[in-house]
Amino acid sequence: SQQGEEDPQALSIQEGENATMNCSYKTSINNLQWYRQNSGRGLVHLILIRSNEREKHSGRLRVTLDTSKKSSSLLITASRAADTASYFCAAATSGTYKYIFGTGTRLKVLA
Amino acid sequence: DAGVTQSPTHLIKTRGQHVTLRCSPISGHKSVSWYQQVLGQGPQFIFQYYEKEERGRGNFPDRFSARQFPNYSSELNVNALLLGDSALYLCASSFEAGNEQFFGPGTRLTVL
Repeated sequence: SQQGEEDPQALSIQEGENATMNCSYKTSINNLQWYRQNSGRGLVHLILIRSNEREKHSGRLRVTLDTSKKSSSLLITASRAADTASYFCAAATSGTYKYIFGTGTRLKVLA
Repeated sequence: DAGVTQSPTHLIKTRGQHVTLRCSPISGHKSVSWYQQVLGQGPQFIFQYYEKEERGRGNFPDRFSARQFPNYSSELNVNALLLGDSALYLCASSFEAGNEQFFGPGTRLTVL
């Protein structure tokens, strides 16, 4: 069973707006990764944040991690139609490096 | 540099048959993980191999098995296929366990 939950399940925004997705998990983790998936194809790695980090940036992406609340968020700024995809978080359970994926957020960016 | 490659791309089998899926990691990567993704859901962890040893196993029946070869490529085997095994099977590699995982394009398995 999946232990990650993502919120919202679906998000529709206009091009140029920001998109925020949230992820919650249940156990202690080593790190958390965010991925993008287009139309049921392979996942594209976006960013990894370790348990001792609170925030990380990569281009238009900003990820935060709050280990006390067992949650993470992904912010995509100035969204583009090409950002339309499903976004998943994957939490690496401490001591195992077993990655537990969330249910995903389907983002649609309207041109 | 080549990314993670998987073969075959698509596969159609009938119930009761077995299947072998193959994965070649990014050059230099020593860890390979397998995931099952059913339509509309997130990937579910099946196995992780690191340095040719199994380091993790998800909640899958014994019909699922895997191995990693000396060149770090990997095979996933599924015996006695069920309709519910129809899914996208994803392979991911990383330099070491706990580093960024990079995914292959997947093998879409259909069981009739």
